[in-house]
Formats: sequence, structure tokens, C-alpha cells
Amino acid sequence: QVQLQESGPGLVKPSETLSLTCAVSGYSISSGYFWGWIRQPPGKGLEWIGNLHHSGNTFYNASLKSRLTMSVDTSKNQFSLKLSSVTATDTAVYYCARVAPGYTYGYVAYWGQGTLVTVSS
Amino acid sequence: EIVLTQSPGTLSLSPGERATLSCRASQSVGSSYLAWYLQKPGQAPRLLLYGASNRATGIPDRFSGSGSGTDFTLTISSLEPEDFAVYYCQQYDNSPQGTTFGGGTKVEIK
Repeated sequence: QVQLQESGPGLVKPSETLSLTCAVSGYSISSGYFWGWIRQPPGKGLEWIGNLHHSGNTFYNASLKSRLTMSVDTSKNQFSLKLSSVTATDTAVYYCARVAPGYTYGYVAYWGQGTLVTVSS
Repeated sequence: EIVLTQSPGTLSLSPGERATLSCRASQSVGSSYLAWYLQKPGQAPRLLLYGASNRATGIPDRFSGSGSGTDFTLTISSLEPEDFAVYYCQQYDNSPQGTTFGGGTKVEIK
């Protein structure tokens, strides 16, 4: 059974960099699939952030691309998100996910539990 | 980018009633690359349907999906207490613009 678990600071100051990691168990990232991040501001809908492949290919939401870096560490079977120059509008629950097989941007059957990141001084 | 508009925003129904949720796309979604999710408070979304009409593993057959092009529908034939939640649609057309989600429909107990 594939399991994903997000970790990282729950509070980030404005203008700083938000950093999150997703640890994957039950499946080797090196075996394939795209992996991604999705966020949800409190009380609002879902927003796709970006996807990456273990090969290093990344695909970012155009609205976040200039501030976003995603990377994968196959030795630790985890992948990471860094979002720079954050503001209050980046406050959200951040989910990591495994994209359905055969898709770059596919549907998601496996989600992490989500982690709330608040941007505030 | 493909914009998804879900309606209604809120649906007030009683257990046992039929629910019909709509998801309309701003442009045609190729090959019915559309999924539906259910989300309960404090939980991650749960995949219900993909490819517009294919039920995910473990999803009961009271959930069904239909549609193509720009108009898609999720139908719950007879609402169970655990079905009261927020529902989201997602298009994954594999276009360079990535994937997008609808704004959600809340199904609440009347």
C-alpha cells in the first residue's frame, strides 16, 4: 500500500522560503510515475502546484513557476517542494500525491494527509 | 488553462435522495480526462471516478459519472450519511498548462 507523508515547518515568515518534504513508503519513487504537490487555502478549493518524475523532469503551475523548485531524492525515497518569497496568500494545506500511471498531470489516487503551512510574521 | 465551473455551489438533500452535480469546462476536455473527488473536513480528497465514468477501487456503485467534451455530471443515486461532503472535479487533459480543479460543490444534509 502506497503511503505519503508530508513534513516541514508549519509557520513561515513572509518573504521567506517554504520547504516541504514528502516521504513515500510502499513504493519506490525510482520505479516510475509522476509525483506532485497540490495545495488548498483554508476554506477554499484545490490548486495544482507541480509534478516531477524521478528522472528529474518537472512541470510547474505557470502562476508559481518563478518561485517554485521541486526535487527528488531517490536514496531517501522522498521528494521536496521549495516555494520562495511567500506571502499570506500561500497559506494553505499542502498535499503531496502520486499521479496515476501513464500521465504527467493525471488524477490522484494516493494522497498524503496534508500539512498546514501558515505564512505570518 | 482549462477552467472548471461546478454547480450548484451547495446542494441540500436528505439521505436516500438522488444527487446530481455538474462540472462544466471552458474548453473541451480531451478523451474525457476528468476525475471526481470527495473531501470531508480535515481529510485529503478521495478519488471517486476517473475518465469521467470509471469508478476508483472500492467506490460503491451508487456513484456514477457521465459526460464528455465540456459537460460532465456526477450522480449519487441514493445518498448515504457518509456522502455528505464537498465534491471536486479535475481535468487532466495533459495540456502544457497542467491540471485544474473545479471550485467544488458542497452536499449538505437538508
